[in-house]
Amino acid sequence: QKEVEQNSGPLSVPEGAIASLNCTYSDRVSQSFFWYRQYSGKSPELIMSIYSNGDKEDGRFTAQLNKASQYVSLLIRDSQPSDSATYLCAVNDYGSGNTGKLIFGQGTTLQVKP
Amino acid sequence: GAGVSQSPSNKVTEKGKDVELRCDPISGHTALYWYRQSLGQGLEFLIYFQGNSAPDKSGLPSDRFSAERTGGSVSTLTIQRTQQEDSAVYLCASSYETGGGTDTQYFGPGTRLTVL
Repeated sequence: QKEVEQNSGPLSVPEGAIASLNCTYSDRVSQSFFWYRQYSGKSPELIMSIYSNGDKEDGRFTAQLNKASQYVSLLIRDSQPSDSATYLCAVNDYGSGNTGKLIFGQGTTLQVKP
Repeated sequence: GAGVSQSPSNKVTEKGKDVELRCDPISGHTALYWYRQSLGQGLEFLIYFQGNSAPDKSGLPSDRFSAERTGGSVSTLTIQRTQQEDSAVYLCASSYETGGGTDTQYFGPGTRLTVL
């Protein structure tokens, strides 16, 4: 059973702080990794994707990937109350033969307090 | 442009009834996915359509669930003889699949199904 694990939280940080969200995955052949944000009652939207080891930055967001440790993280700098949402980690199920298929973690709820 | 649309937005049904959920993907997207999200849970993969290939049905939880995609566009997810455990939000997503596993999936607003 291929798994993607996240701490469900809630993770609470003060406004302006760095929020660190973590994700581990079980399938070593996975190649593509995604972070989706889901506001309460809304559908998920993609905020970051990463495919190579190391860091990828986009504005206040940085995704970090370590394939050897099967670990992917998302850092949110200068956290804002509008960042309060559930963050879903998704991993490509490369071994399934259907390259588009994603396995999602259960999500981490982030609360940014003013 | 228009995003992924789903209908109905909410569906309340009685146990044992059949329901049909519809998804209209983004125009030109070749891949279409159905997921289920129960309260407080992550997304559970159900089925995946890609072009004219046979669908990946590996996530369907029972033979009461089926889906079809007509003309490579609109998809319908059918649940027969609904059970209370089928209550969830059913999400549809589409992508323009290039085959490299890097494509962004765009989600519709979902259909909230409640089985009484």
